[in-house]
Amino acid sequence: GQNIDQPTEMTATEGAIVQINCTYQTSGFNGLFWYQQHAGEAPTFLSYNVLDGLEEKGRFSSFLSRSKGYSYLLLKELQMKDSASYLCAVRDDNYQLIWGAGTKLIIKP
Amino acid sequence: IAGITQAPTSQILAAGRRMTLRCTQDMRHNAMYWYRQDLGLGLRLIHYSNTAGTTGKGEVPDGYSVSRANTDDFPLTLASAVPSQTSVYFCASSDSAGGLETQYFGPGTRLLVL
Repeated sequence: GQNIDQPTEMTATEGAIVQINCTYQTSGFNGLFWYQQHAGEAPTFLSYNVLDGLEEKGRFSSFLSRSKGYSYLLLKELQMKDSASYLCAVRDDNYQLIWGAGTKLIIKP
Repeated sequence: IAGITQAPTSQILAAGRRMTLRCTQDMRHNAMYWYRQDLGLGLRLIHYSNTAGTTGKGEVPDGYSVSRANTDDFPLTLASAVPSQTSVYFCASSDSAGGLETQYFGPGTRLLVL
């Protein structure tokens, strides 16, 4: 079966750094996506990795290791507005997205 | 309109009733999708359409039907609603012309079936 695992909830302090991990087992791999979802809102695109390595975009970076079936999202200089759920999704051989349940990130002052 | 709109925003529905959730996009994207999101679970694909005139079944299609008469609209119909269809429904679209194919989401419809 196909499976995406991420921690259910994490807590971090404003101004700090947090790493959200995602491991996956899917039928094929055609890219990994990270989305942000604020409570009661729609998911919005954050990052995309298809090759191994780190992709940096401002305060957010995403890393991929295809051999390990592993990715992480790194958030630096945390702000209160970063409190949200972070969704990991993998595009499989059928070019459909398989979604993790999301990691709820709580930022404390 | 800019992006994807969904209607209604929320709905309370009696079990056994028929309901159509509407989704319209103005980005001229080829592909459109319907997901449901339930607490503790990832987004689950109900149906999708790679281009106008074609549709396909996702992970959880039972009890739902879709149509894609044109590029912009992708309605989702519950023929006879059941309480297990209580969920938040998201419509999404992507440009399947190749490359990144990022999915863009509508604001969602919150459905309660009693």
